[in-house]
Amino acid sequence: ILNVEQSPQSLHVQEGDSTNFTCSFPSSNFYALHWYRWETAKSPEALFVMTLNGDEKKKGRISATLNTKEGYSYLYIKGSQPEDSATYLCASLNSGGYQKVTFGIGTKLQVIP
Amino acid sequence: DAGITQSPRHKVTETGTPVTLRCHQTENHRYMYWYRQDPGHGLRLIHYSYGVKDTDKGEVSDGYSVSRSKTEDFLLTLESATSSQTSVYFCAISGLSNEQFFGPGTRLTVL
Repeated sequence: ILNVEQSPQSLHVQEGDSTNFTCSFPSSNFYALHWYRWETAKSPEALFVMTLNGDEKKKGRISATLNTKEGYSYLYIKGSQPEDSATYLCASLNSGGYQKVTFGIGTKLQVIP
Repeated sequence: DAGITQSPRHKVTETGTPVTLRCHQTENHRYMYWYRQDPGHGLRLIHYSYGVKDTDKGEVSDGYSVSRSKTEDFLLTLESATSSQTSVYFCAISGLSNEQFFGPGTRLTVL
């Protein structure tokens, strides 16, 4: 994998449902993986910074896991709420550069009340 | 707030005119970045800076130049704007864990 890829590109879920999406990234020279939440008409905001294989991070109903050996991360949202509606970006940072971050195109989540 | 402002927030200009966007930070961070956001492409890095007078190209640098004469300001210049440069431009700084803190964005329209 040469780029950061996210799937699905968009999804709609009912309020109360749990959901998850995937980020795939280059596993060679891995340094860090970031997840961002991007609400419409706002700027992206960092959710998680993950660096170690097997990392699991949690913030409220949102959690993320990291597998650096195979180059993927999952973001989970438990009991989705309308306020979770946003685009979720992941970004990969590789070692040996000047901290250049490569973003995926995001997963746009719409939670239907 | 990470103390990042961008100016102007909105601009409409004509093809062939020069445009400069300004990013200002109050956090004294070393690294600053310019991204553009387009549908279907997400955020793409234009240029970044790793210190005063130290800059380098990102993946979509053609048609853009940058300058950083002091820590707090990072300027993005379109020497001769084209319609393909119509976009939303975000400035960012990187935090202690390399996460990006973004400014509010500048919406540029080139007619």
